[in-house]
Amino acid sequence: KQEVTQIPAALSVPEGENLVLNCSFTDSAIYNLQWFRQDPGKGLTSLLLIQSSQREQTSGRLNASLDKSSGRSTLYIAASQPGDSATYLCAVLSGTYKYIFGTGTRLKVLA
Amino acid sequence: DTAVSQTPKYLVTQMGNDKSIKCEQNLGHDTMYWYKQDSKKFLKIMFSYNNKELIINETVPNRFSPKSPDKAHLNLHINSLELGDSAVYFCASSQEGLAGGFTNEQYFGPGTRLTVT
Repeated sequence: KQEVTQIPAALSVPEGENLVLNCSFTDSAIYNLQWFRQDPGKGLTSLLLIQSSQREQTSGRLNASLDKSSGRSTLYIAASQPGDSATYLCAVLSGTYKYIFGTGTRLKVLA
Repeated sequence: DTAVSQTPKYLVTQMGNDKSIKCEQNLGHDTMYWYKQDSKKFLKIMFSYNNKELIINETVPNRFSPKSPDKAHLNLHINSLELGDSAVYFCASSQEGLAGGFTNEQYFGPGTRLTVT
């Protein structure tokens, strides 16, 4: 049974810091991994999607990496800004129609 | 131009009532999902539908009955509502077909906050 965990559960950093969010999954047989952002009271916004054959994806200040063999993905945020404050969720496509979500990391970037 | 929309955004009702949540996507996707996000913000899949057919049912009580009249719509009907049903329900869609080069990237609706009193 696929389980997805995210560490840390919460993170508070000063503006301008580079930071890394971690996502671990127990079954390496995944099709892809998607990182989302969720603002309070809002839906989920897709940030990056990494196919199982890829090692990383980049979008602006965000870089996501995937190491399937070790069951890990990291989301790197460069030069963090207060507007980056949100909950970050990773999800693995485990089975063609089944996404399993992680527990989330609540990020607060202090001005 | 909303990609995945849900109605209503908020729903407050009493125990024992029956209610429905509607979801529509205009992305042309063939797969739609319902998720439940509990008070601890944990997001769990409930149902997956592909081309109007139920693919995944994650041991959800049979008081929950999804219906997909066409590929663009997936509605969720809940009978005999209980206090524990209070949560935020999210609809999502994706285009399945990894072999055909599609990414299965999911797009989420804004959520429906259900409160059962």
